[in-house]
Formats: sequence, structure tokens, C-alpha cells
Amino acid sequence: AQSVTQPDIHITVSEGASLELRCNYSYGATPYLFWYVQSPGQGLQLLLKYFSGDTLVQGIKGFEAEFKRSQSSFNLRKPSVHWSDAAEYFCAVGARSGDKLTFGTGTRLAVRP
Amino acid sequence: EADIYQTPRYLVIGTGKKITLECSQTMGHDKMYWYQQDPGMELHLIHYSYGVNSTEKGDLSSESTVSRIRTEHFPLTLESARPSHTSQYLCASSDNVYYGYTFGSGTRLTVV
Repeated sequence: AQSVTQPDIHITVSEGASLELRCNYSYGATPYLFWYVQSPGQGLQLLLKYFSGDTLVQGIKGFEAEFKRSQSSFNLRKPSVHWSDAAEYFCAVGARSGDKLTFGTGTRLAVRP
Repeated sequence: EADIYQTPRYLVIGTGKKITLECSQTMGHDKMYWYQQDPGMELHLIHYSYGVNSTEKGDLSSESTVSRIRTEHFPLTLESARPSHTSQYLCASSDNVYYGYTFGSGTRLTVV
């Protein structure tokens, strides 16, 4: 069975600074990988996904993520954070033969003015 | 526009009441899911369905029940609400795990 770890529960960055949110997964083969964002009181919105090919994937809102098979990681990055990026971020993994996603516990991002 | 809708957005209800949280999607997705999300953010799968007349319990034990009589509709029912049911409930749907899930905006339930 697959699993996901997001080691950072809470991260605070200054507006304009770069951001990296960590995600590690456990799965026997190459999985499908996703990053979602959740604004307060809202559902989850898909930021980006990886399924094959280029290991650096681009998403919405200026986010990107890099799949590193050797490290079983799929870290989310943004070069310059905006105050509106303050939210919760969830990493998720799905098996290519399955029908369910497994979500990490989330990372709460706060942005300092 | 294809989307997934949850109603109500907010609900405050007394202990012992029966409630139904509605979830509808217009995308024709076969797979639908209910998650419970506590203030600590973690998502817990409580029910899922892979099609009409198919429902399964998720990883987290829940006193709620679900039904799937129509493809687009996946309501969740609590026969007798308790304060321990206070939480946010998120509904999601999917055509294939390759595409990920589409989530509704959630229902914030408070049982007093």
C-alpha cells in the first residue's frame, strides 16, 4: 500500500521569499503524484500532478514540483511567495492500478508581510 | 460548467437530529468519495463509491451512511448527530486516479 509523509506541519516564509514544501512517498513502483492547495473554509484545488516523463512539472499559480525517484520525493516549490499563497498544502499519491489517492497530513503555510 | 456541489456549506444542528449532507457532480464521474477533515487538517476517507449501487466504508470508522442511487448524487446521512460528529466533510469525485480528484467546497458541520 502507498503512503505519504509531509514532514513539515507548519512553515512561515516572508513575502517574496522562495518556498519549498517537502513530500516523501512510499510505493513499490512509480506512482501518480499530486499537490493540492486548500484555502480556509474551502475544498482542495489541484495545483499540479506527475504521471510520467519530465520530472519537473509546472502547475498553476506559479508552482512547480520535482519528482526524484531516488529519494522518493515530490517537493513543491515556488520562487517568490505572495501573501495569497497562505493556505494548507496536501501531497497525494495514487497507485497506477488503483482507484484511491492517499493524502499526506498537510503543511500549513503562513506568509509574513 | 462541470463541477461538484456540496450543500449546505454550513450547518449547526442539535444533538440527536438526523441530517443529510448533499453532494452532486455534473462530470459523469463513476468514483465518488467522502472525507472527514478535523481542525488539524488531516483528511480521513470515510466512504467511497465506484458506481451506482456500490458503496464501501473507508479507512476511518464512521457512524454515517451513504447511498449511490444515481451517478451524479452521493449523499451522506447521520441518523443521530452527536457533538463528536462536528467536523468538515469534503466530497470528491474522479473519473480515473490518473486525473486526481475534484473536490467540492465542503460542509462545515457543528453539532451542539
